[in-house]
Amino acid sequence: NFMLTQPHSVSESPGKTVTISCTRSSGSIASNYVQWYQQRPGSAPTTVIYEDNQRPSGVPDRFSGSIDSSSNSASLTISGLKTEDEADYYCQSYDSSSYVVFGGGTKLTVL
Amino acid sequence: QVQLVQSGAEVKKPGASVKVSCKASGYTFTSYGISWVRQAPGQGLEWMGWISAYNGNTNYAQKLQGRVTMTTDTSTSTAYMELRSLRSDDTAVYYCARDIAVAEWDYWGQGTLVTVSS
Repeated sequence: NFMLTQPHSVSESPGKTVTISCTRSSGSIASNYVQWYQQRPGSAPTTVIYEDNQRPSGVPDRFSGSIDSSSNSASLTISGLKTEDEADYYCQSYDSSSYVVFGGGTKLTVL
Repeated sequence: QVQLVQSGAEVKKPGASVKVSCKASGYTFTSYGISWVRQAPGQGLEWMGWISAYNGNTNYAQKLQGRVTMTTDTSTSTAYMELRSLRSDDTAVYYCARDIAVAEWDYWGQGTLVTVSS
């Protein structure tokens, strides 16, 4: 099985752009879709990106996802940061046996 | 609108069992699977397993094999997760989520806190 590694925390100012990385330890990042979840304190997770770069309805286009095979990583980019974006963000993928893996989560601070 | 509403908080003693429910509405229950994910206090997310609401097929995380059972009741559009032989490290918030594809979820339940304490 593989691991997904995320930075523990990132911070940025309102209105700026932030990118959160998610690096896969073994196997290709492109071999299985990557999803991203936002979790505000005390709340259930919500899906902000699925299938690498797809946004569910209702998620603003300030949120975008991508994968980079050269670094074997996925990224979540949030532009035009708002204070309401302050949350924990988790990446997630799976392997051919449908074994699900989560990244450790990244705490985004908007200050 | 799609909703997943979970049962209320539980307090259990070590060695006991807990059964958490997840009632779905706003869509055809048998057209989607349900996954269960848990989160220990201050920790990250951990996938527990998946059940097909269409035929009851399951896939459990290896770590929980033998202790967890997931079922559905299509007559009430409700999914259940039972965890047995509870330990203190099973203390967590348990979430159900609707599968749109393999290991991809769009809607989540509100979570159920299960506390295991003597």
